[in-house]
Amino acid sequence: DSGVTQTPKHLITATGQRVTLRCSPRSGDLSVYWYQQSLDQGLQFLIQYYNGEERAKGNILERFSAQQFPDLHSELNLSSLELGDSALYFCASSSLGEMAGELFFGEGSRLTVL
Amino acid sequence: GENVEQHPSTLSVQEGDSAVIKCTYSDSASNYFPWYKQELGKGPQLIIDIRSNVGEKKDQRIAVTLNKTAKHFSLHITETQPEDSAVYFCAAILTGGGNKLTFGTGTQLKVEL
Repeated sequence: DSGVTQTPKHLITATGQRVTLRCSPRSGDLSVYWYQQSLDQGLQFLIQYYNGEERAKGNILERFSAQQFPDLHSELNLSSLELGDSALYFCASSSLGEMAGELFFGEGSRLTVL
Repeated sequence: GENVEQHPSTLSVQEGDSAVIKCTYSDSASNYFPWYKQELGKGPQLIIDIRSNVGEKKDQRIAVTLNKTAKHFSLHITETQPEDSAVYFCAAILTGGGNKLTFGTGTQLKVEL
């Protein structure tokens, strides 16, 4: 158990809809990272928050947004969903503001867009 | 663009044999190279990492080697066991557009009895 909690574990929705994925980091970790894992593209970095502030941005679509709340949990919002958004979405946390250290991953949220 | 390439995509070995997975990276400023193991239905988990000031690091049956000049690094697993079967990802910090941990595309390792 990594100590990172993600909900929901599975989510099925229709194209055009909006969903919110939630992540609770390990106790004491200030950084939260979101990654998308699809079969053909591996683990793609989306975004990082550190202590409530956006720290780094990857290939995150404009239809996607995220935030980190004062209690350090984070939410990833995906809107105007398309079939290609179907993937596993991982949240990870670390104690560092930089990525040069161990990331602790949750078990992921599997999104299926029909 | 900056990326991390990983080979092979699948690897099948007999129990007790060694397994080697190789990665190359494009950013000469990269200085941190972790390896993650992902078991079925779980998130990736760090198994070993290496920083650019050393060329090799070992932890029991696993080792990582780094060649900064050639910009490649490798994971070596000796005396493989069935529980080593998983997907392995290499990663590197790529500095373009801010430091980001970028993963390779993964290697599905199968250890056969």
